Amino acid sequence: QVQLVESGGGVVHPGRSLRLSCAASGFTFSNYAFHWVRQAPGKGLEWVALISYDGRKKHYADSVKGRFTISRDNSENTLNMQMNSLRPEDTAVYYCARPLGYYDSSGYYYGSDAFDIWGQGTMVTVSS
Amino acid sequence: DIQMTQSPSSLSASVGARVTITCRASQSISNYLSWYQQKPGKAPKLLIYAASRLQSGVPSRFSGSGSGTDFSLTIGSLQPEDFATYYCQQSFGTSYTFGQGTKLEI
Repeated sequence: QVQLVESGGGVVHPGRSLRLSCAASGFTFSNYAFHWVRQAPGKGLEWVALISYDGRKKHYADSVKGRFTISRDNSENTLNMQMNSLRPEDTAVYYCARPLGYYDSSGYYYGSDAFDIWGQGTMVTVSS
Repeated sequence: DIQMTQSPSSLSASVGARVTITCRASQSISNYLSWYQQKPGKAPKLLIYAASRLQSGVPSRFSGSGSGTDFSLTIGSLQPEDFATYYCQQSFGTSYTFGQGTKLEI
């Protein structure tokens, strides 16, 4: 079935790095853009980053720009996020999410940017 | 960046009641607006996309409306499983801002 599974979360000290991964299955990974969304404990949802279906375009929230890098491996059906210079305010559950819309082989986009498939989330705690 | 403001932040209602949550964008976003439901410890679930289109498998008591800057989510007759937190999200441009959430309580 269509599924996203995150991994890589954990406890790290401020200033250190962590790499999250999201393994996709049940659909053609390379046809979709992907996003990371996070949720601090007891808080709302915050969009973090987007990567295009071919990996050429990347966009970041201002709060993580210059510190986080989103990437993908279409041969391994995996989405990644390298998180450097971590801060206590980065503490959150991190979700990968796939939009409803997809790209066909000609690069045409069909559908909506709404996030219809989410992983279960992976917890990142930044604390000394 | 586009800001999304939901109201109310929390809402108490009874089973069978009709409730409406509103979401306002800081600039026009056409119909690039989605609604999500989130229960504690779970990932969000897509309810409505393109402002008014019901996601497959979502009960018809959920409906969305609006365009431009003002949007609403209506639950026609609350069921016990509807008590959760609801978020709007805009996808206009390359930023995907969420509203702050509305907690719907019994």
